[in-house]
Amino acid sequence: GENVEQHPSTLSVQEGDSAVIKCTYSDSASNYFPWYKQELGKGPQLIIDIRSNVGEKKDQRIAVTLNKTAKHFSLHITETQPEDSAVYFCAANTNAGKSTFGDGTTLTVKP
Amino acid sequence: GAGVSQTPSNKVTEKGKYVELRCDPISGHTALYWYRQSLGQGPEFLIYFQGTGAADDSGLPNDRFFAVRPEGSVSTLKIQRTERGDSAVYLCASSQNGPNQPQHFGDGTRLSIL
Repeated sequence: GENVEQHPSTLSVQEGDSAVIKCTYSDSASNYFPWYKQELGKGPQLIIDIRSNVGEKKDQRIAVTLNKTAKHFSLHITETQPEDSAVYFCAANTNAGKSTFGDGTTLTVKP
Repeated sequence: GAGVSQTPSNKVTEKGKYVELRCDPISGHTALYWYRQSLGQGPEFLIYFQGTGAADDSGLPNDRFFAVRPEGSVSTLKIQRTERGDSAVYLCASSQNGPNQPQHFGDGTRLSIL
């Protein structure tokens, strides 16, 4: 089955700096890669996603890149703000519907 | 509009008891997913419904776990003979038109087995 590895597990940055979180996946059939932000006591919230026919996608301060050959994808957050502090999860999905999540990155943005 | 609603938000019960967890998806979403999340880990896939049928139930850990979605809307996750290891947050998500569409999550049911 699919295996998704995510790193780093914790990340601390100064407000205004950039943050990068990386994930690798194992199943070449995976073709949809969402990123979620989860705050304490809440469910994950989709922040950006990318499909396997696209190499990069950007939405304001957030961008995601995908390298299908190397089977890795990354989340980039620029101009970080304290409200970006949360746990971030990557996931890899196949057409069968099953989502496999990474174990999360706890991002702390220091004011 | 309303998001995904899960009830109860918290459930505490004794080992060996039966529990039911409910999920109300976003209206019109045909796909529904159940996940289990333990502390410090990502959500773990349990089951995926497309309409009324379970399209993939490969994540259910054993036959004590069962889920239904009889009318293609509300879903119930049922756990028999609960064990302490079943303690976790159970998350539900829904999406339009099947897999590989953005999933909208509820805030989960925190299940504690004493």
